[in-house]
Amino acid sequence: SAVISQKPSRDICQRGTSLTIQCQVDSQVTMMFWYRQQPGQSLTLIATANQGSEATYESGFVIDKFPISRPNLTFSTLTVSNMSPEDSSIYLCSSKGAEGTDTQYFGPGTRLTVL
Amino acid sequence: GQQLNQSPQSMFIQEGEDVSMNCTSSSIFNTWLWYKQDPGEGPVLLIALYKAGELTSNGRLTAQFGITRKDSFLNISASIPSDVGIYFCAGYAGNNRKLIWGLGTSLAVNP
Repeated sequence: SAVISQKPSRDICQRGTSLTIQCQVDSQVTMMFWYRQQPGQSLTLIATANQGSEATYESGFVIDKFPISRPNLTFSTLTVSNMSPEDSSIYLCSSKGAEGTDTQYFGPGTRLTVL
Repeated sequence: GQQLNQSPQSMFIQEGEDVSMNCTSSSIFNTWLWYKQDPGEGPVLLIALYKAGELTSNGRLTAQFGITRKDSFLNISASIPSDVGIYFCAGYAGNNRKLIWGLGTSLAVNP
């Protein structure tokens, strides 16, 4: 399994500002994923972050709003840009386990509130 | 996007009772994953299933990959208060490498 940490664990932000969320994995992984989970809802994939290439975004999510960095095989950041109250959500980072397996492991999440 | 049909949506049971929840899909799945999410935490993987008919246990939890490859169930035996949380099924269908999620089953246990 992979052990994943995220920072910050929660934040309250003003409309129009940006927040960068950090994700650290305890082992080198090829693929990392960013999800959004709105209150009482299931998980929605924002993008897949591969080291050394541009992130792949899902329908409804764009790079200008959610820029992602993946500087190495253990770290990624997600920025939520020009925030509005609709961006209030839990943001989760995940990675696959051992290479060749399909299981995904998750960080504890970042709870974002936008006023 | 595609989602799994997960039921029941919520359950309220007495401590000691057994629990069963399931996920169904119109598509064939290659992998089924069951997660539990506690409030304020990320989902934690409980059981992973990779073959049709596979039955796997993790302590008091048992999950099965349906023979038709379109469904899976999770059973919890002799529930305890710490079983409270939201249980999600997820899986990969066909050649799709994006994990597809159920809407979750919220479990409450009355001590």
